[in-house]
Amino acid sequence: EVQLVESGGGLVKPGSSLKLSCVASGFTFSSYGMHWIRQAPKKGLEWIALIYYDSSNKYYADSVKGRFTISRDNSKNTLYLEMNSLRSEDTAMYYCAKGTGSAEDYWGQGVMVTVSS
Amino acid sequence: DIQMTQSPASLSASLEEIVTITCQASQDIGNWLAWYQQKPGKSPQLLIYGATSLADGVPSRFSGSRSGTQYSLKISRLQVEDIGIYYCLQAYSAPLTFGSGTKLEIK
Repeated sequence: EVQLVESGGGLVKPGSSLKLSCVASGFTFSSYGMHWIRQAPKKGLEWIALIYYDSSNKYYADSVKGRFTISRDNSKNTLYLEMNSLRSEDTAMYYCAKGTGSAEDYWGQGVMVTVSS
Repeated sequence: DIQMTQSPASLSASLEEIVTITCQASQDIGNWLAWYQQKPGKSPQLLIYGATSLADGVPSRFSGSRSGTQYSLKISRLQVEDIGIYYCLQAYSAPLTFGSGTKLEIK
């Protein structure tokens, strides 16, 4: 059974940093590109980052480019999102996902990040 | 970046009615279009991928179609469990982009 379990969220002050993790199981993690997608409270879905299966390519939404870094450790079946210079508008539920938009699409349950003074 | 214009923003329909939601892509994305359903407090669930392919476990009353750069999701006979918010997603190129969502309610 595919599982994606996010962790590392919480309440932080503007300007601070946070690192999210997503532990994968039930599939060959090292074979899949992985995504981070977020959803602000009562708002729509926003794709924010993609990393290829071998970390050879990374893509970001303009809203997070230069502040967020996606990475992975295939030996640990873990995806990361390092978030710096956090702003109130980064407050959202953060989902990790595999195979986004394809037949092998799967999302985690999400982790909440709240940026507030 | 590719823009996805989704309509309507909200929709109220009767049980057993046919419902259609559309997304217009700002450029050619081929069949790289997916549809999701999201219920309150839950992660989005894939309904359609490749513009027209039904995801595993999704009822056959859901279907997807494409006409050029316009994509449609049709629910052939609306059921009470279909209430939620629907999103399209273009997966043709990064940055991937979602439509703004359609909130579906029962009349």
